Amino acid sequence: GENVEQHPSTLSVQEGDSAVIKCTYSDSASNYFPWYKQELGKGPQLIIDIRSNVGEKKDQRIAVTLNKTAKHFSLHITETQPEDSAVYFCAASKNDMRFGAGTRLTVKP
Amino acid sequence: DAGITQSPRHKVTETGTPVTLRCHQTENHRYMYWYRQDPGHGLRLIHYSYGVKDTDKGEVSDGYSVSRSKTEDFLLTLESATSSQTSVYFCAISERLAGEKTQYFGPGTRLLVL
Repeated sequence: GENVEQHPSTLSVQEGDSAVIKCTYSDSASNYFPWYKQELGKGPQLIIDIRSNVGEKKDQRIAVTLNKTAKHFSLHITETQPEDSAVYFCAASKNDMRFGAGTRLTVKP
Repeated sequence: DAGITQSPRHKVTETGTPVTLRCHQTENHRYMYWYRQDPGHGLRLIHYSYGVKDTDKGEVSDGYSVSRSKTEDFLLTLESATSSQTSVYFCAISERLAGEKTQYFGPGTRLLVL
């Protein structure tokens, strides 16, 4: 089955800096890659997703890139703000969805 | 929040007792899922449903059963709870967008098995 690895497990940045979280997947048939943000005590919230026929997608300060050949995809957050502090999960899906272990992002004011 | 509620939100129980968690959705989605979330493991699929009375196992199904008698409700049962089932449980629903099943999560149930 699919295996998703996510790095780093923790990330601390200064407010205004950029943050990058990387994921790799094992199943070349995976064709859908969502990213979730989870705040303390809440369920994961979808923040952006990308499909395998697209290399990059951007939504305001958030962007995701996909390299199908290398089987990795990344989340980029620019101009980070304290409210971006949360745990972020990547996932890869063909028929079922497999999640990375998560990255705890801390944005220091 | 995609119209998903989970109950109870918190539960403490003892080893060996049965426990049932409920997921309720208001938007008539066909697909429903149960995940558990543990530190270092992300979210792992327990069981899922693709329609009323249609369910299948996920990655970590041992010790769990599910039932879906109505479109809006998906129940997760721990027949005899063990300490290893202490976790946060999330229900999710999905809608099909361009062929892929985007999933939306409920608020979670925190379960402690003593």
